[in-house]
Amino acid sequence: DQQVKQNSPSLSVQEGRISILNCDYTNSMFDYFLWYKKYPAEGPTFLISISSIKDKNEDGRFTVFLNKSAKHLSLHIVPSQPGDSAVYFCAASLYNQGGKLIFGQGTELSVKP
Amino acid sequence: DAGITQSPRHKVTETGTPVTLRCHQTENHRYMYWYRQDPGHGLRLIHYSYGVKDTDKGEVSDGYSVSRSKTEDFLLTLESATSSQTSVYFCAISPGGKLFFGSGTQLSVL
Repeated sequence: DQQVKQNSPSLSVQEGRISILNCDYTNSMFDYFLWYKKYPAEGPTFLISISSIKDKNEDGRFTVFLNKSAKHLSLHIVPSQPGDSAVYFCAASLYNQGGKLIFGQGTELSVKP
Repeated sequence: DAGITQSPRHKVTETGTPVTLRCHQTENHRYMYWYRQDPGHGLRLIHYSYGVKDTDKGEVSDGYSVSRSKTEDFLLTLESATSSQTSVYFCAISPGGKLFFGSGTQLSVL
């Protein structure tokens, strides 16, 4: 059973518009959530994270929202740029589990000029 | 660049042969991890290490073993490779609770 799910395998957005990537989880004990970005033939790179005690975290064009009651998080990218085209993974961890992350299946974002 | 080098970058092998993948870090970090990435599954933890000679299993450890004789090196061994182990393998370290990954090894088992 998948504890972290990204139900949209792909998303296409026009340059300059907002990209919204969604992620759902089932384990209410998760206390830390992260987003990773992956280009082909490269390792995933850390993008942004949020603790379960917060509902929003912002870093430049990237904002992550956490809705604990719905067990849902989302990544907003505004404005989207062609260089944002990549696969995005959400991940979650339990308290004090460090690098033992549970990943979603990934969403491939395509930003068209 | 998190100072993680994986070798080889690509490998093709036959079913039943042993395979060892190497991960080398220059960050002197205590924790190291091996993940595999497969379509429809995201990344899944195979094994991890919390110090020299200290290792533990992850979510998908069957068919894999690991060794860590030095802080900087973490080896992943497939004792007898199967086609289901065709995957992309990533090594990672976790300074500050966030994973930093190497560039990966593409392994094909024919």
